[in-house]
Amino acid sequence: KQEVTQIPAALSVPEGENLVLNCSFTDSAIYNLQWFRQDPGKGLTSLLLIQSSQREQTSGRLNASLDKSSGRSTLYIAASQPGDSATYLCAVNSGYALNFGKGTSLLVTP
Amino acid sequence: SQTIHQWPATLVQPVGSPLSLECTVEGTSNPNLYWYRQAAGRGLQLLFYSVGIGQISSEVPQNLSASRPQDRQFILSSKKLLLSDSGFYLCAWIRQTVSSGANVLTFGAGSRLTVL
Repeated sequence: KQEVTQIPAALSVPEGENLVLNCSFTDSAIYNLQWFRQDPGKGLTSLLLIQSSQREQTSGRLNASLDKSSGRSTLYIAASQPGDSATYLCAVNSGYALNFGKGTSLLVTP
Repeated sequence: SQTIHQWPATLVQPVGSPLSLECTVEGTSNPNLYWYRQAAGRGLQLLFYSVGIGQISSEVPQNLSASRPQDRQFILSSKKLLLSDSGFYLCAWIRQTVSSGANVLTFGAGSRLTVL
């Protein structure tokens, strides 16, 4: 069974800092990995999807990398802003459904 | 364009009462459909998924059930709610293709259930 772990569980940084969120998974046989953002009381918004054949994906200030063999992915956020404050979830697609980590709660202070 | 709708957005129900949460998808056909639950302090837990009308797979044995009466409709139900059923329920869909590597899982806005 695929296990997904996210570190750290919570993170607080001042505005402008670059930061890295980590995700690890136990089974490297995956189709893809997705990073989501969740604002309090809201649904999940997809940020980036990395297919198993890809090493990284970029969208604006976000860059996600994938090292399938070691079971790791990172989400890099450049020049963080208060509006980036949210919970970030990593999800691994190993077949019929996605397995989620518990998320990293990010707070960016002005 | 594809959209996903969930309702109700919030629900407060007494223990032992029935439950029905509905999810519909527009702008696509034959999607895979999912029900996830997010409880306080816990990650997203897959409850049910469906690859077609009338086809339901359960991931977690409990007092909840799911049905897919139409291609783009997915319903989560319970005959008698428990306190432990409280949580945030999320419906999601993904496009079915032979190669699923490029498919993005898309979520609805969620339904918050409080059982008292």
